[in-house]
Amino acid sequence: NAGVTQTPKFQVLKTGQSMTLQCAQDMNHNSMYWYRQDPGMGLRLIYYSASEGTTDKGEVPNGYNVSRLNKREFSLRLESAAPSQTSVYFCASRQNNQPQHFGDGTRLSIL
Amino acid sequence: DQQVKQNSPSLSVQEGRISILNCDYTNSMFDYFLWYKKYPAEGPTFLISISSIKDKNEDGRFTVFLNKSAKHLSLHIVPSQPGDSAVYFCAASAIGGTSYGKLTFGQGTILTVHP
Repeated sequence: NAGVTQTPKFQVLKTGQSMTLQCAQDMNHNSMYWYRQDPGMGLRLIYYSASEGTTDKGEVPNGYNVSRLNKREFSLRLESAAPSQTSVYFCASRQNNQPQHFGDGTRLSIL
Repeated sequence: DQQVKQNSPSLSVQEGRISILNCDYTNSMFDYFLWYKKYPAEGPTFLISISSIKDKNEDGRFTVFLNKSAKHLSLHIVPSQPGDSAVYFCAASAIGGTSYGKLTFGQGTILTVHP
């Protein structure tokens, strides 16, 4: 009964390194989302995928790329990590007009 | 430009009393509102929602009220329990069209319920 699984749970990077955050859902949901959470700012949408094969920018897409590999998986890539990308990253999925289900997050620190 | 605002960073209540968490929004296109609850080191979990065609929705101890003219919603928890201590996020969305369920979140309110 996994729901939304994010890997890794923690990661420390050096400035300029690249990294891919993985997300998989086992609920057969069509839509998937990536958010970042920073202190005092709530969650902000980075990218989303309304359905398999489509992706689109959210509120804060700069510095990120995404891939909707198949219906289950939606990855987020940092090509050249910057300290400003230190954050907690949450993946979510949704079916039709139901509420989004979230994973437990990836805590990313960039030195 | 913060389209969804939770102006109280924290709230402390006694067990058994009512907790009232508030949320304001500015975007008139929002027509669906949700509350999520978040424990440390976990992802947000859905609590309750309300669409703009209603002004109240109840689920057990949780009630959400929507005042469209004031662009304000509130979450009432009665009675509050220590296990309710968490961060509560208000979120808003526009149903249909090209919204694709995208959520805009408030900053969150830390609720502490004292035994």
